[in-house]
Amino acid sequence: AQSVAQPEDQVNVAEGNPLTVKCTYSVSGNPYLFWYVQYPNRGLQFLLKYITGDNLVKGSYGFEAEFNKSQTSFHLKKPSALVSDSALYFCAVRDKGGNNRKLIWGLGTSLAVNP
Amino acid sequence: NAGVMQNPRHLVRRRGQEARLRCSPMKGHSHVYWYRQLPEEGLKFMVYLQKENIIDESGMPKERFSAEFPKEGPSILRIQQVVRGDSAAYFCASSTLQGADTEAFFGQGTRLTVV
Repeated sequence: AQSVAQPEDQVNVAEGNPLTVKCTYSVSGNPYLFWYVQYPNRGLQFLLKYITGDNLVKGSYGFEAEFNKSQTSFHLKKPSALVSDSALYFCAVRDKGGNNRKLIWGLGTSLAVNP
Repeated sequence: NAGVMQNPRHLVRRRGQEARLRCSPMKGHSHVYWYRQLPEEGLKFMVYLQKENIIDESGMPKERFSAEFPKEGPSILRIQQVVRGDSAAYFCASSTLQGADTEAFFGQGTRLTVV
């Protein structure tokens, strides 16, 4: 069965420090991987995705993520965190094969960036 | 190009009443997904629709819940005889008729409160 794990419920970092939000996945085939961010009382906003090619993907707001096939991970990173990055971050996966376009979601990681 | 529009943003219903949640996808998008987000939990897939077709409803409760995406007009998620456990944020997302690598765009959600 397909699944996504975000092992940390909450991540705290100081402003200006690098941040990492972890995501691991399990799919039967090759994955498409996505990161979304949710600000309080808002919908989800697309950040970036991995489809194929370069394992390092760059996205919105200075975020990037690295696809690691051997570790089945897709961790979200940013070199220098901003207070405004504080939000809920969701990782999602979709199997490349088959006709089902349903996204499987992690439970989210709450990022708090302290001034 | 307006984003995914959901209305109402907030909906209060008494137990036993019906709740109707509306979602207008982005222009040019023919795929609609409904998700439910419970407090302290992640997103749970409910249903995936194309125009006039339900593609995957594996996440829909067997009773009281239904969804449609008519040829004209918004997608509707209907909850009959609501109970307190239905209180949640319901998100709609839409995507284009492209491959499984296409990201979905989310509305701001409808927050349903059952009193």
